[in-house]
Amino acid sequence: EAGVAQSPRYKIIEKRQSVAFWCNPISGHATLYWYQQILGQGPKLLIQFQNNGVVDDSQLPKDRFSAERLKGVDSTLKIQPAKLEDSAVYLCASSLSEGQGNTEAFFGQGTRLTVV
Amino acid sequence: AQKVTQAQTEISVVEKEDVTLDCVYETRDTTYYLFWYKQPPSGELVFLIRRNSFDEQNEISGRYSWNFQKSTSSFNFTITASQVVDSAVYFCALSEALRGTDKLIFGTGTRLQVFP
Repeated sequence: EAGVAQSPRYKIIEKRQSVAFWCNPISGHATLYWYQQILGQGPKLLIQFQNNGVVDDSQLPKDRFSAERLKGVDSTLKIQPAKLEDSAVYLCASSLSEGQGNTEAFFGQGTRLTVV
Repeated sequence: AQKVTQAQTEISVVEKEDVTLDCVYETRDTTYYLFWYKQPPSGELVFLIRRNSFDEQNEISGRYSWNFQKSTSSFNFTITASQVVDSAVYFCALSEALRGTDKLIFGTGTRLQVFP
């Protein structure tokens, strides 16, 4: 079974530029998550989709971050404009969750973003 | 507020030593789930175990064991006879079942280095 695929693996941009990350979840997984992991910290949830609807985006900085999951499969996360503090690893995950909190998530290898 | 604390930032051991990683959590909910994930250098988070708040039985899986104590709000992880391949960052996480979301609240992680 193929895992969660993310691209690109690495990205370096200048502040105020825009960037987009792509994620393809495990086939059949209705729930998709984007987490931000700043160096030395644990991952923090940015947004959770159930199929193509948003379940939780309370920690997404909506003035600069946006995410979409068209057709309930692939997802893209965009940052525009980027700030230095956005430097982090962006992890995509998917699960068979039905919102009960008891389902393990499967993570991709992440995209390491460096904003200079 | 929900919070997970992993007080040990980094632990170094020599192969074959036993090592315990500590995790303390805070939640107001009575129904919740606790997880441990492993993050090797490749970056993806690998699921290790899930426990629900009503099951305080300790669990053993090969060289891994987990001790869940609600009285002290702790969910500690022990690796017996550590191996070099166990070197990674280990995260403890909390998920609350009643909020309709699977948001994982992670601790800051413990970096384990096992030397030959």
